[in-house]
Amino acid sequence: DAMVIQNPRYQVTQFGKPVTLSCSQTLNHNVMYWYQQKSSQAPKLLFHYYDKDFNNEADTPDNFQSRRPNTSFCFLDIRSPGLGDAAMYLCATSRAAGNYEQYFGPGTRLTVT
Amino acid sequence: GEDVEQSLFLSVREGDSSVINCTYTDSSSTYLYWYKQEPGAGLQLLTYIFSNMDMKQDQRLTVLLNKKDKHLSLRIADTQTGDSAIYFCAESNGDSSYKLIFGSGTRLLVRP
Repeated sequence: DAMVIQNPRYQVTQFGKPVTLSCSQTLNHNVMYWYQQKSSQAPKLLFHYYDKDFNNEADTPDNFQSRRPNTSFCFLDIRSPGLGDAAMYLCATSRAAGNYEQYFGPGTRLTVT
Repeated sequence: GEDVEQSLFLSVREGDSSVINCTYTDSSSTYLYWYKQEPGAGLQLLTYIFSNMDMKQDQRLTVLLNKKDKHLSLRIADTQTGDSAIYFCAESNGDSSYKLIFGSGTRLLVRP
């Protein structure tokens, strides 16, 4: 089945220690998104890739970076995680046409100790 | 700026209908979506409606859109315990269709 996969599902990192979350898709979608979702809140878009074009949201901290080496994979790098970065990180994909319906992965829950 | 609002909590009895409401401010919204999120999981798209429609039905789900009042609702018929989850309303617009603006979510609790 075509899908969006996130690894790991749970990640624990230490304060200030860089961490990378990964996302892969078998849908062959042009657009890939990273969202941050804190408890009982709406998902907040951090950035997205339209093919190789990176689009950062204005209020995304510099601490968050992303890489998309190919169509299938996208990575979220947190350079120096703080306690406030503990959250669920959701990856999503969509086609670049029509209703831009977004397909979400199961998420990675990040804990910062 | 764009804003999407939902009530936080809804409790219904199993077998009853549930109606989850959403209001939005962006009059240029092109598509409006309903997503479901179960505990510890990602978001699952339930249904969406194009802004030139006023109703869409999909099995137990009925979406109503009042564009004049910028009000969207999701009705779930014959609600089951498996419907217990958080439901997010989201909008996108023609200028930046890729970007979804989510409401804060409505937690639906279905009582046996």
